[in-house]
Amino acid sequence: QQQVKQSPQSLIVQKGGISIINCAYENTAFDYFPWYQQFPGKGPALLIAIRPDVSEKKEGRFTISFNKSAKQFSLHIMDSQPGDSATYFCAARGNTGTASKLTFGTGTRLQVTL
Amino acid sequence: DTEVTQTPKHLVMGMTNKKSLKCEQHMGHRAMYWYKQKAKKPPELMFVYSYEKLSINESVPSRFSPECPNSSLLNLHLHALQPEDSALYLCASSQGSRANYGYTFGSGTRLTVV
Repeated sequence: QQQVKQSPQSLIVQKGGISIINCAYENTAFDYFPWYQQFPGKGPALLIAIRPDVSEKKEGRFTISFNKSAKQFSLHIMDSQPGDSATYFCAARGNTGTASKLTFGTGTRLQVTL
Repeated sequence: DTEVTQTPKHLVMGMTNKKSLKCEQHMGHRAMYWYKQKAKKPPELMFVYSYEKLSINESVPSRFSPECPNSSLLNLHLHALQPEDSALYLCASSQGSRANYGYTFGSGTRLTVV
């Protein structure tokens, strides 16, 4: 069954702190792992993504760590800012037949306080 | 142009109405998607179009009818909806459906069925 488990459900971090969100998957056929950021009333926006042949990817304050053997990946937000307050979804993509599907985690509501 | 444009942004319809949601992209993407998102939940895949052909239908009720008139346009025709169909309907596109490309999401149509 294609599932992506995400934790925590909600997270409160002080400004300047590190936000960490974790995801785990079961299907070894997944081969692309994006993170999306969603603000209220908006569609999800691609934040950063990683492929399973890479253990870490960094873009600015955002880092994905990927552990293929454990089938886990995480998002680290360094120097968290109030503007980072949003819902974050991890996702995994796998090919099924003639097309591919993006399966989302359950989401983490991040609040960055002053 | 790096956007997916969805219209209308908000829609209120009665259970006997027929309405359509429209999605447009000019990025040359050949895969387009409809997702449904309920409050505080992740997006759920409804349909995938690859090269203007329907390639995935996630067992969506027939009261939802997708259409892809050309490579830039995706419609979702709605008929005889139920109040539980009220949700944010998201359109997305990607360069290909089988390759590992990120999705670009639109801002969605907030649908309320009364």
